[in-house]
Amino acid sequence: GESVGLHLPTLSVQEGDNSIINCAYSNSASDYFIWYKQESGKGPQFIIDIRSNMDKRQGQRVTVLLNKTVKHLSLQIAATQPGDSAVYFCAENIMDTGRRALTFGSGTRLQVQP
Amino acid sequence: DSGVTQTPKHLITATGQRVTLRCSPRSGDLSVYWYQQSLDQGLQFLIQYYNGEERAKGNILERFSAQQFPDLHSELNLSSLELGDSALYFCASSTTSGSFNEQFFGPGTRLTVL
Repeated sequence: GESVGLHLPTLSVQEGDNSIINCAYSNSASDYFIWYKQESGKGPQFIIDIRSNMDKRQGQRVTVLLNKTVKHLSLQIAATQPGDSAVYFCAENIMDTGRRALTFGSGTRLQVQP
Repeated sequence: DSGVTQTPKHLITATGQRVTLRCSPRSGDLSVYWYQQSLDQGLQFLIQYYNGEERAKGNILERFSAQQFPDLHSELNLSSLELGDSALYFCASSTTSGSFNEQFFGPGTRLTVL
């Protein structure tokens, strides 16, 4: 598959461990955030989103935490599996202005060791 | 498979040339988004169309243009190509005009400018 972002920060975890991927966002006015997963050779895939009136949201095996004070977002993956190996991007948006353009972070590569 | 199709999968061309990338959204989706993913710039939103009309513009160069046709497929035209235009170009579609959490990405077109 194709490789994008050869110099991305990489997080290597053992299968079954929990993973935490971090993201610092840039705009204090952003009020909507998304995590995407991108597997090699594929387009990004929506994982989970969170609005700024929340500080935590849980999905299936994933949890997103938002700390607006320090403009920090994290994605926690429980019981990481080999299929979780991918590049993970956070994205931010300002909903109030009606902006429909997301600003993406540079991504983190997650490698799951069997 | 997201249901979004993009052609061609790969495209190799020379500087100064013009190319057209094509996207067919998921059945029933009215909104099409174009993104560029390059090694140095990461993932960037270019432009969005909704039901044939331009809805939002991002970091799209003047050498680039797009349109959405009555059958809802979209084309991204890139002209006077430069080496720096080499990237993955993704199309995404959604039912409505602002639903990022319902945005489905296609597999991308890899453009190489020599």
